[in-house]
Amino acid sequence: QQQVKQSPQSLIVQKGGISIINCAYENTAFDYFPWYQQFPGKGPALLIAIRPDVSEKKEGRFTISFNKSAKQFSLHIMDSQPGDSATYFCAASKSGGSNYKLTFGKGTLLTVNP
Amino acid sequence: DVKVTQSSRYLVKRTGEKVFLECVQDMDHENMFWYRQDPGLGLRLIYFSYDVKMKEKGDIPEGYSVSREKKERFSLILESASTNQTSMYLCASKGAGGPKEQYFGPGTRLTVT
Repeated sequence: QQQVKQSPQSLIVQKGGISIINCAYENTAFDYFPWYQQFPGKGPALLIAIRPDVSEKKEGRFTISFNKSAKQFSLHIMDSQPGDSATYFCAASKSGGSNYKLTFGKGTLLTVNP
Repeated sequence: DVKVTQSSRYLVKRTGEKVFLECVQDMDHENMFWYRQDPGLGLRLIYFSYDVKMKEKGDIPEGYSVSREKKERFSLILESASTNQTSMYLCASKGAGGPKEQYFGPGTRLTVT
């Protein structure tokens, strides 16, 4: 059972455009939703994270939008740059058990063309 | 600067061999994790450890075991490697307490022939 569904699998955006990656979750006990960014040959690194008590979080060009009733959250990358080309993973975890182990989506390969 | 290191970037082993993947973190983190990453499947948790000598199975533990004798070191063991264990293996660590960033190593690309 896939608990976090991520789409699209791949995305091509022109420089300066907006990249949008979506995730949906099933477990209503999830209460922490991070996004990780992975460049080729590197391990994933935390990009931005949100808790469900807010509907949006922004850090620079990166914004997470969160819809608790729909059990969906998305990553928006404004003014996308070629350096943003990477694989992006959404994830979710729940409090109180198993030390906040993360359940990851399957990833989105983002290519930003110059 | 936080650091998670993995013993090998690339490893080639034969079917049936016993394989050890080592991970070391220098952040004094309580929690350590082993994932495998496969195209189209994302990151899947194999095992994790929340303290020295403590471990819990993740989502895909079959064919793997782990060892954590010291806080900074977490080993993944393939008792008898099989070709379907050819994958990228990622180690991560996290501090104790609430939801926090997991810090990942660079990964070990294991090929079993």
